[in-house]
Amino acid sequence: DGGITQSPKYLFRKEGQNVTLSCEQNLNHDAMYWYRQDPGQGLRLIYYSQIVNDFQKGDIAEGYSVSREKKESFPLTVTSAQKNPTAFYLCASNKGPGELFFGEGSRLTVL
Amino acid sequence: DAKTTQPPSMDCAEGRAANLPCNHSTISGNEYVYWYRQIHSQGPQYIIHGLKNNETNEMASLIITEDRKSSTLILPHATLRDTAVYYCIVRVAGRNSGNTPLVFGKGTRLSVIA
Repeated sequence: DGGITQSPKYLFRKEGQNVTLSCEQNLNHDAMYWYRQDPGQGLRLIYYSQIVNDFQKGDIAEGYSVSREKKESFPLTVTSAQKNPTAFYLCASNKGPGELFFGEGSRLTVL
Repeated sequence: DAKTTQPPSMDCAEGRAANLPCNHSTISGNEYVYWYRQIHSQGPQYIIHGLKNNETNEMASLIITEDRKSSTLILPHATLRDTAVYYCIVRVAGRNSGNTPLVFGKGTRLSVIA
């Protein structure tokens, strides 16, 4: 079945380490998005990409980086510059103005 | 995109209709109203969207006031599995909208009680 796959589901990292979260979709969607969610809060946009090899910063891009080398893949790297990276990370995609489809999320904990 | 206002939480008895309000008084003529919900620790799920006419699908009904400044999402027979956070979002849609990111507020936490 088509969908969005995020991995890993749970991730622990030490302070000062970079970590990359994977997001893959087989829906043939043009646009992909990364959101961050903290406990009791809504979703905040980190980065988004409307086409391959192009992406834009969202509201909280500092300390994060992305790439979009393939239509199906939009990995997010949480760098050591991100001061408070412990959060729930959600990847989403859509085609044109259609509904967003979300992955199951990746929960990152910094020890 | 226009901002929305939702109550932080609501309770509903199982089997009864859940009516979730949303205020979007600054909505523009070309902005749609979208509803998503998020069950604990999962990704949000699309429910329904509309422009000015009332809409219904297998999950819910969307009632938009005539002046489009507010709307109500109706879950006709709420079950325990409908316990979730419900997000109301307004967004430009259509061929020329591109893929404008959705802006999520804090939503309404609906608790369905047995």
